[in-house]
Amino acid sequence: AQSVAQPEDQVNVAEGNPLTVKCTYSVSGNPYLFWYVQYPNRGLQFLLKYITGDNLVKGSYGFEAEFNKSQTSFHLKKPSALVSDSALYFCAVFIPGGGNKLTFGTGTQLKVEL
Amino acid sequence: DAGVIQSPRHEVTEMGQEVTLRCKPISGHNSLFWYRQTMMRGLELLIYFNNNVPIDDSGMPEDRFSAKMPNASFSTLKIQPSEPRDSAVYFCASSLVGGVAYEQYFGPGTRLTVT
Repeated sequence: AQSVAQPEDQVNVAEGNPLTVKCTYSVSGNPYLFWYVQYPNRGLQFLLKYITGDNLVKGSYGFEAEFNKSQTSFHLKKPSALVSDSALYFCAVFIPGGGNKLTFGTGTQLKVEL
Repeated sequence: DAGVIQSPRHEVTEMGQEVTLRCKPISGHNSLFWYRQTMMRGLELLIYFNNNVPIDDSGMPEDRFSAKMPNASFSTLKIQPSEPRDSAVYFCASSLVGGVAYEQYFGPGTRLTVT
């Protein structure tokens, strides 16, 4: 079955430190991968995507993600975390030819502390 | 663009009542999705439409749930009769599938409380 996994329910990081939120996928074919962020009492907001091309993609708010085909991963990163980055982060995958839906991971709660 | 618009933002109703949630997708988008989010079950896809046609409703929990998309700019999700376990935040999202797009844009959600 096509799926995406976020192995960490929560990630804690100090402000100013680099952050990584992990995502791995299990799909056949060439996946399209996405990251979303959800702030409290808000809808999910699109951060970035990988469709094709450069494996390192840059998105909103200074976030970036690296597509690694051999490790089937698409980890979200930011060089220097801010307290305002604290939120729930979702990885998602789109399977070409598998309908128009995204399959979402279970989410990772990021907490950035002073 | 105003983004995806959902109404109402909050709904409190009594068990057994009919509830109708509304969604206006982003103009020009060809796919529309209804999700439900709870602490216990996380984010669940209920149903989605392509070009106003329902494609996959396997996530709709029961026959009490129904969704329609009469035109490209409007969709409804109806629960009749409602039950306390339906309490959740319901999101609508839309996307333009094709080219290099595919990402979905979410509305602010409707927080439903059934007492």
